[in-house]
Amino acid sequence: GQNIDQPTEMTATEGAIVQINCTYQTSGFNGLFWYQQHAGEAPTFLSYNVLDGLEEKGRFSSFLSRSKGYSYLLLKELQMKDSASYLCAVRNTGGFKTIFGAGTRLFVKA
Amino acid sequence: NAGVTQTPKFRVLKTGQSMTLLCAQDMNHEYMYWYRQDPGMGLRLIHYSVGEGTTAKGEVPDGYNVSRLKKQNFLLGLESAAPSQTSVYFCASTPRLAGDEQFFGPGTRLTVL
Repeated sequence: GQNIDQPTEMTATEGAIVQINCTYQTSGFNGLFWYQQHAGEAPTFLSYNVLDGLEEKGRFSSFLSRSKGYSYLLLKELQMKDSASYLCAVRNTGGFKTIFGAGTRLFVKA
Repeated sequence: NAGVTQTPKFRVLKTGQSMTLLCAQDMNHEYMYWYRQDPGMGLRLIHYSVGEGTTAKGEVPDGYNVSRLKKQNFLLGLESAAPSQTSVYFCASTPRLAGDEQFFGPGTRLTVL
């Protein structure tokens, strides 16, 4: 079967660092995506990992370990506007389908 | 570029009514998708298309039909709406390459009474 697990909610303080974990079990793997979704809006792309290791993009970094079926999204220097849901998604081997996790709601407090 | 657009933004239906949701993209993308998003369940794939004239079933296709007569348009139809189809529907598109992100439309909020 296919399954993606993420924490339901997290709370962090403005200016701090937060790590959102994602574990997955899929029938095939062709890349892992992180998307950000503000309430009432569409998801927007944050990062893509297909090889093991860390990808850094400004305040956001994403890590992948394929052997462990594990990824995390690291957000540094948190800002209030980072309050949103963060979706972990895995693309299957054929490249046509992407399976999404339920998302992690992040609350950033002052 | 408008990106991915969806019509309508909101709709209320009665059980048994039919409707069509329209998705349009102006980025010349090959792949297009329809998802539904329900609280606590994330995005679930309904149907998808890998090119003009082709469609395929996703995770939750029952009760929905789709058509892709033109490359830029992907239509989602509900023949006989049910309350279980109350949801937010997102359309997305992506170029052919495996590492490319999906671009999402703004969503359609559908309520079936």
